[in-house]
Amino acid sequence: DQQVKQNSPSLSVQEGRISILNCDYTNSMFDYFLWYKKYPAEGPTFLISISSIKDKNEDGRFTVFLNKSAKHLSLHIVPSQPGDSAVYFCAARRFKAAGNKLTFGGGTRVLVKP
Amino acid sequence: DGGITQSPKYLFRKEGQNVTLSCEQNLNHDAMYWYRQDPGQGLRLIYYSQIVNDFQKGDIAEGYSVSREKKESFPLTVTSAQKNPTAFYLCASSPPVAGDGYTFGSGTRLTVV
Repeated sequence: DQQVKQNSPSLSVQEGRISILNCDYTNSMFDYFLWYKKYPAEGPTFLISISSIKDKNEDGRFTVFLNKSAKHLSLHIVPSQPGDSAVYFCAARRFKAAGNKLTFGGGTRVLVKP
Repeated sequence: DGGITQSPKYLFRKEGQNVTLSCEQNLNHDAMYWYRQDPGQGLRLIYYSQIVNDFQKGDIAEGYSVSREKKESFPLTVTSAQKNPTAFYLCASSPPVAGDGYTFGSGTRLTVV
């Protein structure tokens, strides 16, 4: 039972354009959502997060949108840069989950073409 | 610099052998985690520990074992009972309430030969 899904395994975008990554979840008890970026053979690094009490959070080129009614969140990267080429994971945390456990999606591989 | 160190970066194991993956952190985090990454499947939780001398099974604990004798260390043993151990293993840590999620190590790639 995959509670967090990233239905697009890959995305290709031209440098300077917008990258939009999508993530759907099924568990209404999730109250905090995060995006991680991962390069090959490295550990993921935290990118941006959003609480379920908000619908938007922005940090520089990165904006995360949350639509609770649709159980959907998206990550916008504007403008996309070649260094953004990586795998992006969506993650969610359940309210008062023991051990601060995160549930991850399957990832979306982004390729930014110069 | 504070962080998480995983070793070795690459590990080869013969079938039927147990191997132990090391994870050390100097972030003074209470909680530590082991995840496994397979292609197209994201990160799946193997074990986690909220405090020294205590740990809990994650979603795919079968064939793995852990210990948490020190706050800084959370080694993972991949036993011969793990049927498909070839994967990329990631260790992470977090404080009790982590608004920004985990800090990950750089991973260990385990290959069964």
